[in-house]
Amino acid sequence: ETGVTQSPTHLIKTRGQQVTLRCSSQSGHNTVSWYQQALGQGPQFIFQYYREEENGRGNFPPRFSGLQFPNYSSELNVNALELDDSALYLCASSLGLVTGYEQFFGPGTRLTVL
Amino acid sequence: AQRVTQPEKLLSVFKGAPVELKCNYSYSGSPELFWYVQYSRQRLQLLLRHISRESIKGFTADLNKGETSFHLKKPFAQEEDSAMYYCALSGRESTGNQFYFGTGTSLTVIP
Repeated sequence: ETGVTQSPTHLIKTRGQQVTLRCSSQSGHNTVSWYQQALGQGPQFIFQYYREEENGRGNFPPRFSGLQFPNYSSELNVNALELDDSALYLCASSLGLVTGYEQFFGPGTRLTVL
Repeated sequence: AQRVTQPEKLLSVFKGAPVELKCNYSYSGSPELFWYVQYSRQRLQLLLRHISRESIKGFTADLNKGETSFHLKKPFAQEEDSAMYYCALSGRESTGNQFYFGTGTSLTVIP
């Protein structure tokens, strides 16, 4: 069984640029969620995808968008990067839509915006 | 609105002493409550959830709907319990599933 993987590990961008982060779900999982974790804070929910459709979104602007592919891997895209977007971005997969399911987290991508 | 509150950012206890990590929540509807843990240089992982009503690594957590709390307890702390602990809540809302994490409590167990 393969765990959740994320790429890249680290990324440095400048303000105004666009970035794409990638996530591969744990084997057998069809649901993926993305979180932003600023330094010293808990993870903040960005959105969730289930079978390629968005199924829940946190309080993030539209410049945060996502995709889920038929193999259940996922992308997080952020346009017009701002300094405050600097954070650890976590991907988590789960078995399905039920909110009580355990989420399995990846190691995260550290994004720095200069 | 703050959904999950963990009042202690840092908590230190001696090995063998009881430990309680506090979590209070604010949510209308029927939330699911969880405790996630992150050990040093490891990824975030589930410790326990209220629907399972189980004890994991000696930890228990009781959902108190009246006090809207989900405190994590262990009668005798061990050094390997030193980690960052996050209380989390999930629920189904009109906009879809939502997930909320607290700011975390860093637990240090002193030998």
